[in-house]
Amino acid sequence: DQQVKQNSPSLSVQEGRISILNCDYTNSMFDYFLWYKKYPAEGPTFLISISSIKDKNEDGRFTVFLNKSAKHLSLHIVPSQPGDSAVYFCAASGVSSGSARQLTFGSGTQLTVLP
Amino acid sequence: DADVTQTPRNRITKTGKRIMLECSQTKGHDRMYWYRQDPGLGLQLIYYSFDVKDINKGEISDGYSVSRQAQAKFSLSLESAIPNQTALYFCATSDTSTGELFFGEGSRLTVL
Repeated sequence: DQQVKQNSPSLSVQEGRISILNCDYTNSMFDYFLWYKKYPAEGPTFLISISSIKDKNEDGRFTVFLNKSAKHLSLHIVPSQPGDSAVYFCAASGVSSGSARQLTFGSGTQLTVLP
Repeated sequence: DADVTQTPRNRITKTGKRIMLECSQTKGHDRMYWYRQDPGLGLQLIYYSFDVKDINKGEISDGYSVSRQAQAKFSLSLESAIPNQTALYFCATSDTSTGELFFGEGSRLTVL
């Protein structure tokens, strides 16, 4: 049973428009959420995160929104650029036994920004 | 130079062969991980280690073993490779306070 779900395997957006990537989770113990970006032939790299005490975190063109009641988060990219074309992974962590934090990943969304 | 280095980057092998993937890091993190990526399944945790004497199984450890030779080195072994172990493998280290992961560039393994 997937605890972190990204239901859209792919998304295409026109350059300059907004990209919205969605992520849902089921584990109410998750309290820290991250987005990773992955280009072909490279490892995933950290993009942006949000703690459960917030509902929004912004970093330049990237904003992550968290709706705890719906167990839903989204990543907004405005404006989208061709260089944003990549696979985006949502990840979540919570304090488990022994205070050991581990990340649980979604299956990823391939974003394609069309020039 | 990359903070997390994986070798080899690409490997093709045959069913039944023993394979080792190596990982070294310069970030000084105690925690290291091995993940595999399959299309449509995202990143699945194979093994993780919180220090040299601590090794733990992840979600999909069957068919794999690991060795933590030093704080900076964590290797993954497939004792007898099988075709469904064909995947992209990532090593990672983590920041203890947030769990944020820092990944290597990946090792693509093909088992024929």
